[in-house]
Amino acid sequence: DVKVTQSSRYLVKRTGEKVFLECVQDMDHENMFWYRQDPGLGLRLIYFSYDVKMKEKGDIPEGYSVSREKKERFSLILESASTNQTSMYLCASSSLWTEDGYQQYFGPGTRLTVT
Amino acid sequence: AQSVAQPEDQVNVAEGNPLTVKCTYSVSGNPYLFWYVQYPNRGLQFLLKYITGDNLVKGSYGFEAEFNKSQTSFHLKKPSALVSDSALYFCAVKGPLRGSARQLTFGSGTQLTVLP
Repeated sequence: DVKVTQSSRYLVKRTGEKVFLECVQDMDHENMFWYRQDPGLGLRLIYFSYDVKMKEKGDIPEGYSVSREKKERFSLILESASTNQTSMYLCASSSLWTEDGYQQYFGPGTRLTVT
Repeated sequence: AQSVAQPEDQVNVAEGNPLTVKCTYSVSGNPYLFWYVQYPNRGLQFLLKYITGDNLVKGSYGFEAEFNKSQTSFHLKKPSALVSDSALYFCAVKGPLRGSARQLTFGSGTQLTVLP
């Protein structure tokens, strides 16, 4: 089974802090994604990566950056956390090479509260 | 542009009754369609998908979905609901071709509550 893990289930940070959210997958997937989930808005794509050191902006990249130094690890960085970044953050991965390469596998999520 | 709509924010059904969670989509080319479920404070779990083939797709936990090309719908169904089916359900369709990553576009979600 594909396993996607996230470093924290719950996180509380203060406004202005630098925040790191870590995601690790164990299936050698090429693609990795970061979403935020807010009630009524569904999942919104923040950033994605299709290879080591390669990244692309999603629909809502403002206030975030990412890092992918190793294939299995994809980090989301909040340079200066703000209260409007309080949300559930979900990481996902998928394979580039399988026939159904659109299927994504999700981690358990990190619920971030910025006070 | 690819899009997916879940017209109902909330669906309530009595235990033992059939349930339907609706999804309509808009996509160019072949539709790749998915259903995911999310239990409270958890990540999304894959339920089923339609790529090609039979219009009726069977998935996990007794769920199935019917692909209807003429109505551009992919409704999730279960013949007999369980209280444990109460969760948030997301429909997704293949997203815009952007870079080399195959993306998904998600609906806004439907909260299913099964009443005992």
